Amino acid sequence: EADIYQTPRYLVIGTGKKITLECSQTMGHDKMYWYQQDPGMELHLIHYSYGVNSTEKGDLSSESTVSRIRTEHFPLTLESARPSHTSQYLCASSEGARGELFFGEGSRLTVL
Amino acid sequence: SQKIEQNSEALNIQEGKTATLTCNYTNYSPAYLQWYRQDPGRGPVFLLLIRENEKEKRKERLKVTFDTTLKQSLFHITASQPADSATYLCALPPEGAGSYQLTFGKGTKLSVIP
Repeated sequence: EADIYQTPRYLVIGTGKKITLECSQTMGHDKMYWYQQDPGMELHLIHYSYGVNSTEKGDLSSESTVSRIRTEHFPLTLESARPSHTSQYLCASSEGARGELFFGEGSRLTVL
Repeated sequence: SQKIEQNSEALNIQEGKTATLTCNYTNYSPAYLQWYRQDPGRGPVFLLLIRENEKEKRKERLKVTFDTTLKQSLFHITASQPADSATYLCALPPEGAGSYQLTFGKGTKLSVIP
C-alpha cells in the first residue's frame, strides 16, 4: 500500500473559486509529480518537483500552480476555477534514478 | 517527444487464457519501460520495469518483453482471472539521463470474462 495521500477525493465547486488540492507522502521521496487525466485518456504531466523549493511545469500547459516547501507536501492550487479545469488530478512520488511512481487515489474536480 | 501507442483500447479474454497487450513507441529508444495497472477511479499501480538491455522480465503470472528493434513491449498475463480486469498502461522516460518525467500511453482496458 503506497503512503501517498490526496485530499479531497471529490470536489464540486462553482466557477471562479480558488481551490487547493493537497498531496502528502510519508516515504521521504524527493521527486513528486502532478498528472491530469480525463476519462478514457492518458495521464498528462502538469507539474513536477525534484526537491524542496524546486518546481517545474510539465508537458501539458496548466493554469494551476504548485509549491514544495516541505519534502512530504506538494499542493496544487487553481486561483480561479473554470469548467475546463474539470478533470482527475493524480499526485505521485518516486525515488531513485528509475524509480517506480507511487500514485495517490486522485482528486476528481468538477467545476460548474 | 515520445509517442506511445497501446494496441487497442479494449481487450476481452476468457478466464484462464493468456492476455497479451502491446506498447509501441515511435521515437528514441528509452532506457527502460514501465507497466502500470489502473482500476476505475483509482491511481495507477506499478507492476514491472524492464531495462533496454533486458529481453524479458517476469513476476508471478506477469511477463514483459522489450524489443528495441521493433520499438515494442509486450505485456502478458497468463492464466488470466476476472480480478485482472483493469486498464494497463505503459510508461516511458524522456530521452537522456537525469530526467524522470514519465510519458504514459492511453492504456488498454482488459476484461477477463468468467
